[in-house]
Amino acid sequence: AQKITQTQPGMFVQEKEAVTLDCTYDTSDPSYGLFWYKQPSSGEMIFLIYQGSYDQQNATEGRYSLNFQKARKSANLVISASQLGDSAMYFCAMREGNTDKLIFGTGTRLQVFP
Amino acid sequence: NAGVMQNPRHLVRRRGQEARLRCSPMKGHSHVYWYRQLPEEGLKFMVYLQKENIIDESGMPKERFSAEFPKEGPSILRIQQVVRGDSAAYFCASSPRTDPTDTQYFGPGTRLTVL
Repeated sequence: AQKITQTQPGMFVQEKEAVTLDCTYDTSDPSYGLFWYKQPSSGEMIFLIYQGSYDQQNATEGRYSLNFQKARKSANLVISASQLGDSAMYFCAMREGNTDKLIFGTGTRLQVFP
Repeated sequence: NAGVMQNPRHLVRRRGQEARLRCSPMKGHSHVYWYRQLPEEGLKFMVYLQKENIIDESGMPKERFSAEFPKEGPSILRIQQVVRGDSAAYFCASSPRTDPTDTQYFGPGTRLTVL
């Protein structure tokens, strides 16, 4: 079974609008961490935001926020006030409490248009 | 405060040659992870190392691939007798310690092309 599922292969958003990128996960471990990374066309992996399974509040980092719905096992990334520079691949990843590795989804390609 | 360094950024090898990929973790980080990204796919875990120890190599192919993180110097991912299917981007990440809350910071990756 897929541990991390990103169902949107591609998304379009107009500049200055908000966009939500979906991510669902599957784990039976009560302790886990959820991460979002951005991969621009230059190829590097840029850490955006982290949410811990025991965190009571949704994580926020500038224009990025994580809509964490534990019962639904979803951790959607919300980007507010999109900018042209936000065009990139976005990967959701999970780290379970008893392992060291990150498990990545297949990614969502976001295109921001003027 | 330098980030994770990887070199070379691009590497071209012919089938049968060896590829050596280097990774220097962020200052203060003693945990290194290697991931592979095939074209149009997400990253897949390969191996996790601490200084002089391989902690988890569950994602490493059984043959031709090896990794080390010596006491001094960078971590090395070595691929012997490369084949076309090894063509991918190889990313190294580092973190200060192991905990579900610890963020792994990635290097820029090495793009390996096997001709």
